[in-house]
Amino acid sequence: EAQVTQNPRYLITVTGKKLTVTCSQNMNHEYMSWYRQDPGLGLRQIYYSMNVEVTDKGDVPEGYKVSRKEKRNFPLILESPSPNQTSLYFCASSSWGNQPQHFGDGTRLSIL
Amino acid sequence: AQTVTQSQPEMSVQEAETVTLSCTYDTSENNYYLFWYKQPPSRQMILVIRQEAYKQQNATENRFSVNFQKAAKSFSLKISDSQLGDTAMYFCAFMKHDNNDMRFGAGTRLTVKP
Repeated sequence: EAQVTQNPRYLITVTGKKLTVTCSQNMNHEYMSWYRQDPGLGLRQIYYSMNVEVTDKGDVPEGYKVSRKEKRNFPLILESPSPNQTSLYFCASSSWGNQPQHFGDGTRLSIL
Repeated sequence: AQTVTQSQPEMSVQEAETVTLSCTYDTSENNYYLFWYKQPPSRQMILVIRQEAYKQQNATENRFSVNFQKAAKSFSLKISDSQLGDTAMYFCAFMKHDNNDMRFGAGTRLTVKP
């Protein structure tokens, strides 16, 4: 089954404790992206990657890191999480040619 | 930068009736793509419909159709014969033709009432 898999689905943690949200897709997509969703703001792009070893900042990259060492994986790293990073996070992927993005099921992060 | 505006934070409709969700966008591009995504309480993001800017014909997917007005930069979604399962948050999104980056509106929360 074609899918984008994120883990964990839920996480409650404390300020300053490094965490990683994993994202994996099995569709051989070149493009992958991370978004955060906040009430009244819709989805805002954090980082994106057009291919292996190619990443770039989106609209709200501060406080986040990503890597793309393999085509299928695109982890999101919060080195020192803060309460303003409490949000719902989505990973998405797509092939080239203006294809719509396929989304993971979301990760609810709470930073206390 | 492109911006997408959904001016209706919340809407409601009676089951079996028709509802229209509004979306406007701002761009200087001539070629682009527009999408509507549905996010039910399960929070999955589900593609509802897609429109290519170079096509004059409005896209249709079963009970879902769009009214694409390129000159007005408007892209509304019409849901006919509303069903309880249509209750969800709906997001309008814009994509330029030369990359895969999407810009989303703030969303409209639709409630279908029995």
